Amino acid sequence: LAKTTQPISMDSYEGQEVNITCSHNNIATNDYITWYQQFPSQGPRFIIQGYKTKVTNEVASLFIPADRKSSTLSLPRVSLSDTAVYYCLVGDRGTGNQFYFGTGTSLTVIP
Amino acid sequence: GAGVSQSPRYKVAKRGQDVALRCDPISGHVSLFWYQQALGQGPEFLTYFQNEAQLDKSGLPSDRFFAERPEGSVSTLKIQRTQQEDSAVYLCASSHREATDTQYFGPGTRLTVL
Repeated sequence: LAKTTQPISMDSYEGQEVNITCSHNNIATNDYITWYQQFPSQGPRFIIQGYKTKVTNEVASLFIPADRKSSTLSLPRVSLSDTAVYYCLVGDRGTGNQFYFGTGTSLTVIP
Repeated sequence: GAGVSQSPRYKVAKRGQDVALRCDPISGHVSLFWYQQALGQGPEFLTYFQNEAQLDKSGLPSDRFFAERPEGSVSTLKIQRTQQEDSAVYLCASSHREATDTQYFGPGTRLTVL
Protein backbone atom coordinates (compact mmCIF):
# COMPACT_ATOMS: atom_id res chain seq x y z
CA LEU A 1 0.00 0.00 0.00
CA ALA A 2 1.64 3.18 -1.19
CA LYS A 3 2.05 5.75 1.56
CA THR A 4 1.99 9.46 1.01
CA THR A 5 3.82 12.50 2.39
CA GLN A 6 2.30 15.97 2.41
CA PRO A 7 3.16 19.26 4.12
CA ILE A 8 1.43 19.51 7.46
CA SER A 9 0.10 23.02 6.89
CA MET A 10 0.00 25.90 4.42
CA ASP A 11 -1.24 29.47 4.49
CA SER A 12 -2.45 31.48 1.52
CA TYR A 13 -4.12 34.81 0.89
CA GLU A 14 -7.52 34.99 -0.70
CA GLY A 15 -7.46 35.08 -4.48
CA GLN A 16 -4.13 33.31 -4.84
CA GLU A 17 -3.47 29.98 -6.47
CA VAL A 18 -2.52 27.25 -4.03
CA ASN A 19 -0.44 24.21 -4.92
CA ILE A 20 -0.22 21.29 -2.52
CA THR A 21 2.29 18.59 -3.37
CA CYS A 22 2.08 14.98 -2.29
CA SER A 23 4.97 12.50 -2.47
CA HIS A 24 4.25 8.84 -3.15
CA ASN A 25 7.58 7.27 -4.05
CA ASN A 26 6.40 3.65 -4.02
CA ILE A 27 3.31 4.14 -6.16
CA ALA A 28 2.38 0.98 -8.05
CA THR A 29 1.51 0.64 -11.72
CA ASN A 30 -2.21 0.20 -11.08
CA ASP A 31 -2.49 2.95 -8.47
CA TYR A 32 -4.59 6.06 -8.97
CA ILE A 33 -4.13 9.33 -7.07
CA THR A 34 -7.15 10.84 -5.35
CA TRP A 35 -7.55 14.03 -3.36
CA TYR A 36 -10.16 14.69 -0.68
CA GLN A 37 -11.14 17.83 1.24
CA GLN A 38 -12.36 17.79 4.82
CA PHE A 39 -14.00 20.58 6.80
CA PRO A 40 -14.28 20.40 10.60
CA SER A 41 -17.05 18.12 11.83
CA GLN A 42 -17.70 16.75 8.33
CA GLY A 43 -16.63 13.68 6.43
CA PRO A 44 -14.06 14.03 3.64
CA ARG A 45 -15.31 15.09 0.21
CA PHE A 46 -13.88 13.95 -3.12
CA ILE A 47 -12.09 16.65 -5.11
CA ILE A 48 -10.27 15.05 -8.01
CA GLN A 49 -8.62 11.86 -9.23
CA GLY A 50 -5.98 11.09 -11.83
CA TYR A 51 -3.52 8.55 -13.12
CA LYS A 52 -0.98 10.55 -15.11
CA THR A 53 -0.37 13.96 -16.72
CA LYS A 54 -3.05 16.52 -15.91
CA VAL A 55 -6.67 16.35 -14.84
CA THR A 56 -8.91 19.37 -14.41
CA ASN A 57 -12.44 19.76 -13.11
CA GLU A 58 -14.57 22.67 -12.01
CA VAL A 59 -12.81 23.04 -8.65
CA ALA A 60 -9.20 21.95 -9.07
CA SER A 61 -6.41 20.65 -11.26
CA LEU A 62 -4.17 17.69 -10.59
CA PHE A 63 -0.67 17.55 -12.06
CA ILE A 64 1.15 14.23 -12.16
CA PRO A 65 4.70 14.01 -13.58
CA ALA A 66 5.83 11.17 -15.80
CA ASP A 67 7.41 9.16 -12.98
CA ARG A 68 4.20 9.50 -10.89
CA LYS A 69 6.19 9.66 -7.68
CA SER A 70 4.47 12.88 -6.71
CA SER A 71 1.37 14.85 -7.55
CA THR A 72 0.25 18.45 -7.10
CA LEU A 73 -3.24 19.63 -6.32
CA SER A 74 -3.81 23.13 -7.64
CA LEU A 75 -6.64 25.29 -6.30
CA PRO A 76 -7.18 28.44 -8.39
CA ARG A 77 -8.02 31.70 -6.65
CA VAL A 78 -8.77 30.34 -3.21
CA SER A 79 -11.41 31.86 -0.97
CA LEU A 80 -11.91 31.71 2.79
CA SER A 81 -14.25 28.76 2.32
CA ASP A 82 -11.36 26.70 0.97
CA THR A 83 -9.85 26.57 4.45
CA ALA A 84 -9.82 22.84 5.15
CA VAL A 85 -7.62 19.76 5.39
CA TYR A 86 -6.62 18.20 2.07
CA TYR A 87 -5.70 14.52 1.80
CA CYS A 88 -3.83 12.72 -0.94
CA LEU A 89 -4.60 9.02 -1.38
CA VAL A 90 -2.92 6.46 -3.58
CA GLY A 91 -4.35 3.07 -4.35
CA ASP A 92 -5.52 0.50 -6.83
CA ARG A 93 -8.92 1.34 -8.30
CA GLY A 94 -9.38 -2.26 -9.32
CA THR A 95 -9.21 -3.62 -5.80
CA GLY A 96 -10.60 -0.62 -4.01
CA ASN A 97 -7.32 -0.30 -2.19
CA GLN A 98 -7.38 3.45 -1.56
CA PHE A 99 -7.70 3.57 2.16
CA TYR A 100 -4.64 5.40 3.47
CA PHE A 101 -5.41 9.06 4.24
CA GLY A 102 -2.31 10.12 6.14
CA THR A 103 -2.37 13.32 8.18
CA GLY A 104 -3.24 15.64 5.30
CA THR A 105 -2.38 19.28 4.68
CA SER A 106 -4.20 21.91 6.69
CA LEU A 107 -4.77 24.90 4.40
CA THR A 108 -5.63 28.25 5.97
CA VAL A 109 -6.83 31.00 3.65
CA ILE A 110 -6.16 34.46 5.02
CA PRO A 111 -8.31 37.47 4.09
CA GLY B 1 -30.79 11.93 -3.52
CA ALA B 2 -29.89 11.46 0.11
CA GLY B 3 -26.27 11.11 1.06
CA VAL B 4 -24.67 8.76 3.54
CA SER B 5 -26.25 9.05 6.95
CA GLN B 6 -24.92 7.90 10.29
CA SER B 7 -26.51 7.54 13.68
CA PRO B 8 -26.18 8.53 16.36
CA ARG B 9 -24.18 11.66 15.61
CA TYR B 10 -22.85 11.71 19.15
CA LYS B 11 -22.44 8.87 21.62
CA VAL B 12 -21.11 8.95 25.15
CA ALA B 13 -20.30 5.62 26.72
CA LYS B 14 -18.88 4.55 30.02
CA ARG B 15 -15.75 2.46 29.82
CA GLY B 16 -16.70 -1.17 29.44
CA GLN B 17 -20.01 -0.55 27.71
CA ASP B 18 -20.85 -1.92 24.28
CA VAL B 19 -21.84 0.51 21.51
CA ALA B 20 -23.37 0.11 18.06
CA LEU B 21 -22.93 2.69 15.34
CA ARG B 22 -25.15 2.66 12.27
CA CYS B 23 -24.43 3.64 8.69
CA ASP B 24 -27.00 4.07 5.92
CA PRO B 25 -25.12 4.25 2.61
CA ILE B 26 -26.35 5.87 -0.55
CA SER B 27 -29.02 3.65 -2.08
CA GLY B 28 -27.56 1.23 -4.59
CA HIS B 29 -23.97 1.70 -3.53
CA VAL B 30 -22.11 -1.58 -3.55
CA SER B 31 -19.10 -0.72 -1.44
CA LEU B 32 -19.08 0.47 2.15
CA PHE B 33 -16.17 1.55 4.32
CA TRP B 34 -15.61 2.33 7.99
CA TYR B 35 -12.88 4.67 9.21
CA GLN B 36 -11.76 5.88 12.61
CA GLN B 37 -10.58 9.46 12.95
CA ALA B 38 -8.82 10.64 16.09
CA LEU B 39 -8.62 14.34 16.86
CA GLY B 40 -6.16 16.08 14.57
CA GLN B 41 -5.46 12.95 12.54
CA GLY B 42 -6.57 11.69 9.17
CA PRO B 43 -9.17 8.96 8.84
CA GLU B 44 -7.77 5.48 9.45
CA PHE B 45 -9.24 2.55 7.59
CA LEU B 46 -11.08 -0.06 9.62
CA THR B 47 -12.97 -2.32 7.24
CA TYR B 48 -14.51 -2.63 3.77
CA PHE B 49 -17.63 -4.39 2.46
CA GLN B 50 -18.66 -5.24 -1.03
CA ASN B 51 -22.38 -5.89 -0.75
CA GLU B 52 -22.71 -8.13 2.31
CA ALA B 53 -19.20 -9.56 2.06
CA GLN B 54 -16.56 -8.14 4.35
CA LEU B 55 -13.55 -8.18 2.03
CA ASP B 56 -11.04 -6.41 4.22
CA LYS B 57 -11.02 -6.04 7.98
CA SER B 58 -7.32 -5.49 8.37
CA GLY B 59 -7.78 -2.12 10.03
CA LEU B 60 -9.92 -3.26 12.94
CA PRO B 61 -7.73 -2.51 15.95
CA SER B 62 -8.81 -5.42 18.13
CA ASP B 63 -11.31 -8.23 18.41
CA ARG B 64 -13.54 -5.84 20.34
CA PHE B 65 -14.42 -4.23 17.02
CA PHE B 66 -16.94 -5.96 14.79
CA ALA B 67 -18.74 -4.79 11.66
CA GLU B 68 -21.57 -6.29 9.68
CA ARG B 69 -23.68 -5.55 6.64
CA PRO B 70 -26.07 -8.51 6.53
CA GLU B 71 -28.27 -7.43 3.62
CA GLY B 72 -25.71 -5.47 1.68
CA SER B 73 -27.15 -2.10 2.62
CA VAL B 74 -27.15 -0.76 6.18
CA SER B 75 -24.02 -1.47 8.18
CA THR B 76 -23.35 -1.54 11.90
CA LEU B 77 -20.02 -1.09 13.61
CA LYS B 78 -20.03 -2.60 17.08
CA ILE B 79 -17.45 -1.94 19.73
CA GLN B 80 -17.49 -4.19 22.77
CA ARG B 81 -16.13 -3.27 26.20
CA THR B 82 -15.25 0.24 25.10
CA GLN B 83 -11.98 1.78 26.24
CA GLN B 84 -10.95 5.42 26.45
CA GLU B 85 -8.66 5.02 23.45
CA ASP B 86 -11.73 4.17 21.36
CA SER B 87 -12.85 7.80 21.63
CA ALA B 88 -12.84 9.15 18.08
CA VAL B 89 -15.06 10.04 15.16
CA TYR B 90 -16.22 6.99 13.24
CA LEU B 91 -16.78 7.72 9.57
CA CYS B 92 -18.72 5.64 7.11
CA ALA B 93 -18.36 5.97 3.34
CA SER B 94 -19.96 4.28 0.37
CA SER B 95 -19.12 4.07 -3.30
CA HIS B 96 -21.18 3.07 -6.30
CA ARG B 97 -19.18 0.44 -8.07
CA GLU B 98 -17.41 -2.70 -7.03
CA ALA B 99 -14.13 -1.13 -8.06
CA THR B 100 -13.88 1.72 -5.63
CA ASP B 101 -13.23 5.16 -6.84
CA THR B 102 -15.07 8.08 -5.31
CA GLN B 103 -16.07 7.51 -1.73
CA TYR B 104 -19.00 9.48 -0.34
CA PHE B 105 -18.68 10.08 3.36
CA GLY B 106 -21.26 10.49 6.07
CA PRO B 107 -20.95 13.11 8.81
CA GLY B 108 -19.53 10.64 11.29
CA THR B 109 -20.39 9.53 14.81
CA ARG B 110 -18.37 11.14 17.57
CA LEU B 111 -17.81 8.55 20.29
CA THR B 112 -16.60 9.66 23.70
CA VAL B 113 -15.69 6.99 26.22
CA LEU B 114 -15.53 8.19 29.81
